[in-house]
Amino acid sequence: DIQMTQSPSTLSASIGDRVTITCRASQSVSNWLAWYQQKPGKAPRLLIYDASALETGVPSRFIGSASGTEFTLTITGLQPEDFATYYCQQYNSFFPLTFGGGTKVEI
Amino acid sequence: QVQLQESGPGLVKPAQTLSLTCSVSGASITSGNYYWSWLRQAPGKGLEWLGYSFYSGGTFYNPSLNSRLTISVDMAKNLFSLSLISVTAADTAVYFCARGKQRFAKWGQGILVTVSS
Repeated sequence: DIQMTQSPSTLSASIGDRVTITCRASQSVSNWLAWYQQKPGKAPRLLIYDASALETGVPSRFIGSASGTEFTLTITGLQPEDFATYYCQQYNSFFPLTFGGGTKVEI
Repeated sequence: QVQLQESGPGLVKPAQTLSLTCSVSGASITSGNYYWSWLRQAPGKGLEWLGYSFYSGGTFYNPSLNSRLTISVDMAKNLFSLSLISVTAADTAVYFCARGKQRFAKWGQGILVTVSS
């Protein structure tokens, strides 16, 4: 299985901050990586796919980027509704799909 | 707008079979060449992909489940199902159904299933 390592596990931030979450794959996943946002008691919401493509309806302050096996989700200008847990997920090695451990963005 | 809704028992005894269904509304389960997946999230933990099925056949399961999982599609009822045998406390989780086989833009709200005697 491909292991996805996210950092940090928790991130404290303020409204308006620029925050960066990192996800590292244990081997190449090309650009087959997605980012999700999850709020308590809710299903995850797809934000970014193919490492940097913005899902329809997602605000442009969410930016995905990639460099080799390291992927980054940047939120520019943190909004109150952005406090949540974020997960990366690889879908290059389909057997099986794997997720990162999550990053909780809190005040 | 397609919507997914999980249903099933919230409590299952150890060693028994966990059975859930995901009703799809707003679109036919046979349209768009979509695959239909199940994922789960143990309390306070991360996400785990379980497997997927296509309406005309073709299933793929996470090998971590050791052949305990079956996913099937019922075209007549426009739903798909999950059956997990020989459950233990480690199978306690919120189970989500979702549309897709690689990335997931449509999810059900999730259903908590507790394995306990």
